[in-house]
Amino acid sequence: EPEVTQTPSHQVTQMGQEVILRCVPISNHLYFYWYRQILGQKVEFLVSFYNNEISEKSEIFDDQFSVERPDGSNFTLKIRSTKLEDSAMYFCASSGGLPTDTQYFGPGTRLTVL
Amino acid sequence: AQKITQTQPGMFVQEKEAVTLDCTYDTSDPSYGLFWYKQPSSGEMIFLIYQGSYDQQNATEGRYSLNFQKARKSANLVISASQLGDSAMYFCAMREGQLGFNKFYFGSGTKLNVKP
Repeated sequence: EPEVTQTPSHQVTQMGQEVILRCVPISNHLYFYWYRQILGQKVEFLVSFYNNEISEKSEIFDDQFSVERPDGSNFTLKIRSTKLEDSAMYFCASSGGLPTDTQYFGPGTRLTVL
Repeated sequence: AQKITQTQPGMFVQEKEAVTLDCTYDTSDPSYGLFWYKQPSSGEMIFLIYQGSYDQQNATEGRYSLNFQKARKSANLVISASQLGDSAMYFCAMREGQLGFNKFYFGSGTKLNVKP
């Protein structure tokens, strides 16, 4: 069964460093998303992406965040200068885009900023 | 106002019994989708079941069923014959509008513990 994959599973970084989180969405999906979940809290929407551009972004997704689809398979989230409060689980998701379609989530990347 | 409300932070159920996890939602859009996800301690988000706002019948997927009460704006998840492996966090989510690519709103989750 097709699945969304994410690498790395765990990333530890120093405050102020740049990190890139990688995702491979399900191959025939057209819509891609990043969500984050701070430990013990709800899952929050960050950004959606379609046709090589951002469709929607939340207020969390400020100038330090960017997304890219550098090739036909990968979808990346870059955090330019990490802060302590960026520590969270980051989930990538993908969807076919039909109203009845669900979003399939990857296993997540746990980001720890020290 | 919260889009999705899950009022049960934690619940216990005896193995083999049924359990209902509550979810209420808030939207003025007549078109929306409701979803339930399971998050085990390993952290991944596993899709369980979907209910569309125009669906006439309650959704079912194996041991999972969704008790959809549109007038009450509730979409409770029912797990029948609980198993130890059902112990996890459960999140209710909603997508507003007809566009299938719209973002999801998540509730705060319910932690289910299944007792042997």
